[in-house]
Amino acid sequence: AQSVTQPDIHITVSEGASLELRCNYSYGATPYLFWYVQSPGQGLQLLLKYFSGDTLVQGIKGFEAEFKRSQSSFNLRKPSVHWSDAAEYFCAVARGGSQGNLIFGKGTKLSVKP
Amino acid sequence: EAQVTQNPRYLITVTGKKLTVTCSQNMNHEYMSWYRQDPGLGLRQIYYSMNVEVTDKGDVPEGYKVSRKEKRNFPLILESPSPNQTSLYFCASSSRTGWGGNQPQHFGDGTRLSIL
Repeated sequence: AQSVTQPDIHITVSEGASLELRCNYSYGATPYLFWYVQSPGQGLQLLLKYFSGDTLVQGIKGFEAEFKRSQSSFNLRKPSVHWSDAAEYFCAVARGGSQGNLIFGKGTKLSVKP
Repeated sequence: EAQVTQNPRYLITVTGKKLTVTCSQNMNHEYMSWYRQDPGLGLRQIYYSMNVEVTDKGDVPEGYKVSRKEKRNFPLILESPSPNQTSLYFCASSSRTGWGGNQPQHFGDGTRLSIL
């Protein structure tokens, strides 16, 4: 069965430091992968997505993610974190390749130290 | 403006009192889904609809019903709510064709339900 694993429940980084949030998926075919962000008390905002092609994907707010098929990973990165990046981040995969049907990881909460 | 609208946004109710959370989208999307979000569990899909009169169970359908009589609406029904259904609920929609540009799945703003 398809699944998404985010190994880190909570990460704290200093403002200005680099960030990497991990995501591993299980799916036999080429996956459609997503990263969403949820600020406290807010809904979900799409940061970026991977469908095919270039394995390094650029998103909004200075985020990028790299798809590595050999590692079944889709890690999210940002070179310099801002205090406003404090939020919860969710990785998701399209179930059976269906865009209307997502499987989410359990999320990683990011705290930013001044 | 393209949007998914959920109502109510907040609801406190009691065990056993039937309730309906409405979801409406104005994008003529075929796909609609309901998710619940619980701390430490992420978002889990409750039900899914590929089109009018076509619905399917997600990962946690117990205690919920849905209907899809019209393309734009996908209400979530709790016939006999229980405290373990206290959660934050999201409705989402997406198009069958293409990946919707920068927003493959549009989410509503969420409905926070408290069942006492």
